Amino acid sequence: DIQMTQSPSSLSASVGDRVTITCRASQSISTYLNWYQQTPGRAPKLLISAASRLQSGVPSRFSGSGSGTDFTLTINSLQPEDFASYFCQQSYTAVTFGQGTRLEIK
Amino acid sequence: QVTLKESGPVLVKPTETLTLTCTVSGFSLSNDRMGVTWIRQPPGKALEWLAHMYSIDEKSYSTSLRSRLTISQDTSKSQVVLTMTNMDPLDTGTYYCARIFGVVTTPRFDYWGPGTLVAVSS
Repeated sequence: DIQMTQSPSSLSASVGDRVTITCRASQSISTYLNWYQQTPGRAPKLLISAASRLQSGVPSRFSGSGSGTDFTLTINSLQPEDFASYFCQQSYTAVTFGQGTRLEIK
Repeated sequence: QVTLKESGPVLVKPTETLTLTCTVSGFSLSNDRMGVTWIRQPPGKALEWLAHMYSIDEKSYSTSLRSRLTISQDTSKSQVVLTMTNMDPLDTGTYYCARIFGVVTTPRFDYWGPGTLVAVSS
């Protein structure tokens, strides 16, 4: 099975900050990498597919990059509604999620 | 408008079999570019993929849970059913179904149900 390692597991930041979350695959997954945002008590929401494709309706302050084994999710100018958990997910072979990153207000 | 909704028991006893139903609308289960997946999340923990299916014949299961899971669909009812045998308290969590979009390109889960919380306890 492909393992997905996300870092950091938690992160404190302030409104207006720029943050980066990384996800590393245990083997190459090309760009079969998606990012989700989850707020407490809610289902995850798809933010980015195919490593860098922003979903319709997602603010442009979110961006994704990477290919192969290393990927990043960047959020520019954090807004209050961005404080949530973020998960990466590979769909190259079966499905695996990263363990998540909890983004908290500093 | 695409929607998915999970249904099933709130409480099951250890060793029992869990049956969950995902009822979908706004898309067809016979569309070969789409599918339905099941994912669970223990309280405060990460998402864990369980199984998915595309059309009637394309099914895939989590390696670690394969022996306990069965996924099936009733296209006429727009439902996808997941059964999990031999339930254990460690299986407690929220169970989600989601639509898979981009089956032959870059699969992603673009619509999710609200989730259903299942507790395993005697």
